[in-house]
Amino acid sequence: QVQLVQSGAEVKKPGSSVRVSCETSGKSFRTYAISWVRQAPGQGLEWVGGTFPVFGITHYAQKFQGRVTITPDESTGTAYLEMTNLRSDDTAVYYCARSLGLRGLPSGYFDHWGQGTLVTVS
Amino acid sequence: DIVVTQSPDSLAVSLGERATINCKSSQSLLYSTNNKNYLAWYQHKPGQPPKLLIYWASTRESGVPDRFSGGGSETDFTLTISSMQAEDVAVYYCQQYYSTPQAFGQGTKVEIK
Repeated sequence: QVQLVQSGAEVKKPGSSVRVSCETSGKSFRTYAISWVRQAPGQGLEWVGGTFPVFGITHYAQKFQGRVTITPDESTGTAYLEMTNLRSDDTAVYYCARSLGLRGLPSGYFDHWGQGTLVTVS
Repeated sequence: DIVVTQSPDSLAVSLGERATINCKSSQSLLYSTNNKNYLAWYQHKPGQPPKLLIYWASTRESGVPDRFSGGGSETDFTLTISSMQAEDVAVYYCQQYYSTPQAFGQGTKVEIK
């Protein structure tokens, strides 16, 4: 049974950084893509970016380029999301989600999700 | 970038009645090499992660009740709940995974009338 377990809630000051982890169970971590999706209060789902370890590639949504880093750790089966220069509008629940990775991209439908991590910037 | 737009934004349906949600893509999501549409549907309830309902536009995920069905091709897609149940109250999202950046629709809130 695949499980994605995320780190706990964070409260951060504007301008600071945060790192959220997503530990996966099961084998073949590197052959799946892991994406990060966020939901701000009262808003919809927003894809932040994704990594596909077997191809060594990571893609980001343009609005997060330069401020977000997604890193896979194949030795522990854990993916990390780091966001710098936090703003109040980064307050959101951040989910990690697993997909097959299609056409060599960190894309695909998300069949397994983490429980979510609330990041509050205040 | 491919944008997906849902309609309506909200929907109130009587128990037992049909609910239909539309999703329109700014570009075709049909990949000619495998003849698959790269579109998924999710159900999202408060305090829970989203749940995958449908992928490849019309393939139901294991364990999803058969009252949920997906249809459409290329740029126009639908999610249908054939007989609304109380537990189906949620926000529903479509997602394109044809290319990155992947994108979700803005969501459709489904309630009981």
